Amino acid sequence: AQSVTQLDSHVSVSEGTPVLLRCNYSSSYSPSLFWYVQHPNKGLQLLLKYTSAATLVKGINGFEAEFKKSETSFHLTKPSAHMSDAAEYFCVVSDLLSGGSYIPTFGRGTSLIVHP
Amino acid sequence: DAGVIQSPRHEVTEMGQEVTLRCKPISGHDYLFWYRQTMMRGLELLIYFNNNVPIDDSGMPEDRFSAKMPNASFSTLKIQPSEPRDSAVYFCASSQTVPSSYEQYFGPGTRLTVT
Repeated sequence: AQSVTQLDSHVSVSEGTPVLLRCNYSSSYSPSLFWYVQHPNKGLQLLLKYTSAATLVKGINGFEAEFKKSETSFHLTKPSAHMSDAAEYFCVVSDLLSGGSYIPTFGRGTSLIVHP
Repeated sequence: DAGVIQSPRHEVTEMGQEVTLRCKPISGHDYLFWYRQTMMRGLELLIYFNNNVPIDDSGMPEDRFSAKMPNASFSTLKIQPSEPRDSAVYFCASSQTVPSSYEQYFGPGTRLTVT
């Protein structure tokens, strides 16, 4: 079985300061991991993905995430927050299940608030 | 590609009416997902298809909900009869098995309001 836990429902930062959004996962196999962003009244957009290649993954808009198998974590970071980063962020784990099918599991989301 | 297309973008209907939401996935994608998003329950997976076949509909809340995928380029989610608690944003997403790593592409959503 797979699961994902986003440790913070809200994260508040000041513009120009670092961002850290935390995600822990549970997976029986070798998972693929994703971060999606959802701006207000918009659909979800892929930020970055890990698929068993390099453990440090770079995404769009300066975000990156590091896959740490020993900690079962996939935290999302950005060195310097911008006002436009204010949005909802979802961590997703996806395993290839027996039978060749899969179901992605979404975290509950973390709302990133950026103060001027 | 135009991405995942959903229609309508907004739907307002009265309780008891039938509602049909439509989705056109990205060409070549073999998976299609329907999600519902509300403030209270977050993002919920309702059903997903692989090669037009429903694989898991355990997330469909009640028999009032049904989904079909008659071909690779079209899917519908129907609610009959609709109730106020069905008010939510409904997203469609598609993905492909090969060569992708199952990343999903989401449509813009349909905001449903049932009065």
